Amino acid sequence: QKEVEQNSGPLSVPEGAIASLNCTYSDRGSQSFFWYRQYSGKSPELIMSIYSNGDKEDGRFTAQLNKASQYVSLLIRDSQPSDSATYLCAVTDTGANSKLTFGKGITLSVRP
Amino acid sequence: NAGVTQTPKFRILKIGQSMTLQCAQDMNHNYMYWYRQDPGMGLKLIYYSVGAGITDKGEVPNGYNVSRSTTEDFPLRLELAAPSQTSVYFCASQGMSWNYGYTFGSGTRLTVV
Repeated sequence: QKEVEQNSGPLSVPEGAIASLNCTYSDRGSQSFFWYRQYSGKSPELIMSIYSNGDKEDGRFTAQLNKASQYVSLLIRDSQPSDSATYLCAVTDTGANSKLTFGKGITLSVRP
Repeated sequence: NAGVTQTPKFRILKIGQSMTLQCAQDMNHNYMYWYRQDPGMGLKLIYYSVGAGITDKGEVPNGYNVSRSTTEDFPLRLELAAPSQTSVYFCASQGMSWNYGYTFGSGTRLTVV
C-alpha cells in the first residue's frame, strides 16, 4: 500500500519567514505530486503540482521534487498569517487522472 | 460556475439508519471521488468513478456504496450507519488535465450517535 508521510509538525514560524514543509512517499513509481492547503473547517484547495525533478515556483510558493530520495517539499516565502492552515501532500502513481494518496497533513501557524 | 456541490453540509444519524450523500459537478469531469477525513488522519479514498456506469473501491469502502448513472452525479450511500462512520466526507472531481488536480466540494460533516 502506498504511503505518504508528513511527520514534521505542527510548524510555527514568524511572519515574513520561510516555512519549509516536507513529505516523503513510499511508491518509487509515483509520477505526480500535489500540495493542497486546507483551512480549518474548509475543503482542500490545490496550490501546487509538480512532476519533474527540481523546483517549481509560483509566487511565494516553491515546490521541490527529488524522485531519487522520494521526497517532495513546499517552501512558502514571506509567510503571512493568512498562510496559517493545514498543508496536505498528495501523490499519484501514474501521470494523469489517477486517484491520489494523501498524507496526514502539516499544520502551519504564522505568528504576526 | 458551481463546481462541485455537496449536500447536506451537516447531518446527525442514529446507529442503524441509512442516508445518501449527494455530489454533483457541472464541469463535465469524468473522474469523481469520495474521501473521508478523520481528525489528524488525512483523506482516505472510499470509492471512485472514471465515468458514468463505472465505479471502483478505494482504500476504505466497507459500509458504503456508490452509483454513477450520469457524468454529473456521484452519490454515496451509507447503509446501517455506525459510529465509526462519523467523519467529514469530501467529494471531488478531476478533468483530463492532471495539472489542475482535484476540485473538492465543501464537504459533509456526519455524526453517527
